[in-house]
Amino acid sequence: QVQLVQSGAEVKKPGSSVKVSCKASGVTFSSSVINWVRQAPGQGLEWMGTIIPTFGTANYAQKFEGRVTITADESTSTAYMELSGLTSADTAIYYCSRAPNSGYAHAVDYWGQGTLVTVSS
Amino acid sequence: DIQMTQSPSSLSASIGDRVTITCRASQGISTYLAWFQQKPGKAPKSLIFAASNLQTGVPSRFSASGSGTDFTLTIDSLQPEDLATYYCQQYNSYPLTFGGGTKVEIK
Repeated sequence: QVQLVQSGAEVKKPGSSVKVSCKASGVTFSSSVINWVRQAPGQGLEWMGTIIPTFGTANYAQKFEGRVTITADESTSTAYMELSGLTSADTAIYYCSRAPNSGYAHAVDYWGQGTLVTVSS
Repeated sequence: DIQMTQSPSSLSASIGDRVTITCRASQGISTYLAWFQQKPGKAPKSLIFAASNLQTGVPSRFSASGSGTDFTLTIDSLQPEDLATYYCQQYNSYPLTFGGGTKVEIK
């Protein structure tokens, strides 16, 4: 079955960086699109960026431009999201999600379990 | 950016009721719309893609429709396990955007 398994919870200091991983199994990684979405406590879902592993280039939300880097390693079917310059406002659960890379637009079918990132001094 | 507006933001219904949630896009998105269900403390789950197509394994009491700017998600015969927050999302263009969510509670 398809699984997206994310790395474990992190506690970070303000100003530091965090890198979250998302390993896919049961699906062809090279024909996937990987999104990163976050959810602050008690809030809704917020798109951060998307990568198509086969192409290697990512699209980022303007809000995170310059602070976020999304990469993918096809050899290990793993995507990564690194966020720098952390502040308390970045405390959230970070999710990866997967969509099939078919056609013009990509509808998500599977989600990772989420990774809680806590930013605290 | 395309703004997605959901209504209501919350609702309370009885078991067996029919529940309808609406989602409006600030500009036309054809049928590039998805619906997600998020149960308390859990990751979102994909319910619907392309505005009206059920993802594999989603119960048939869920249905959805719409195109352009106006979309609906309907739950026929609400069940206890449907307690969740429901989100719409457009994937017509970047940035991908979500509606604010509709919290469904059981009376």
